[in-house]
Amino acid sequence: GEDVEQSLFLSVREGDSSVINCTYTDSSSTYLYWYKQEPGAGLQLLTYIFSNMDMKQDQRLTVLLNKKDKHLSLRIADTQTGDSAIYFCAEIANNYQLIWGAGTKLIIKP
Amino acid sequence: SQTIHQWPATLVQPVGSPLSLECTVEGTSNPNLYWYRQAAGRGLQLLFYSVGIGQISSEVPQNLSASRPQDRQFILSSKKLLLSDSGFYLCAWRQLEPNRGYTFGSGTRLTVV
Repeated sequence: GEDVEQSLFLSVREGDSSVINCTYTDSSSTYLYWYKQEPGAGLQLLTYIFSNMDMKQDQRLTVLLNKKDKHLSLRIADTQTGDSAIYFCAEIANNYQLIWGAGTKLIIKP
Repeated sequence: SQTIHQWPATLVQPVGSPLSLECTVEGTSNPNLYWYRQAAGRGLQLLFYSVGIGQISSEVPQNLSASRPQDRQFILSSKKLLLSDSGFYLCAWRQLEPNRGYTFGSGTRLTVV
């Protein structure tokens, strides 16, 4: 079945760039998403990328998609303390349900 | 604009007690509605989804049930809670344009004691 994998933790220094990686298995995915979950809060859609795109940039966020390797990454430039959260990668399966990764907890060091 | 409301935010219930979590959507009609559960250290697990009033699809067998009595209301229920039902429950709706993604409620932290 479909599966989405991502590392559970990432630690970066404030001001550095954060790169959160994700791999997926469903090659028919049309959209891939990055969601952010802050402590005690629901999920917030950060950005998405359509499968025919290689890159999408939105202010401090850059999404890179390598369809050949089924690899998706989220780069956060100039990481701030407010970026501390769990970041979820998700893809749309054929039945339009979202398949989620386990989430990567981004830890910001001063 | 569309909004989604979910309550309560936190809930502590004894084992064997009933459960009712409610989710309502405003600003849209005939939405696809979803209940997800998030266990600690794991991704979200789809529990139920509904494409219309009275139409419920269950993704995993479990102690929970869902109902959709009105177009913009989705309820998650249990007759008798188990300890394993503890978790973070999220309601979501999906807009017809896929690139808008899913919009989630703020979640309910359920602790069964």
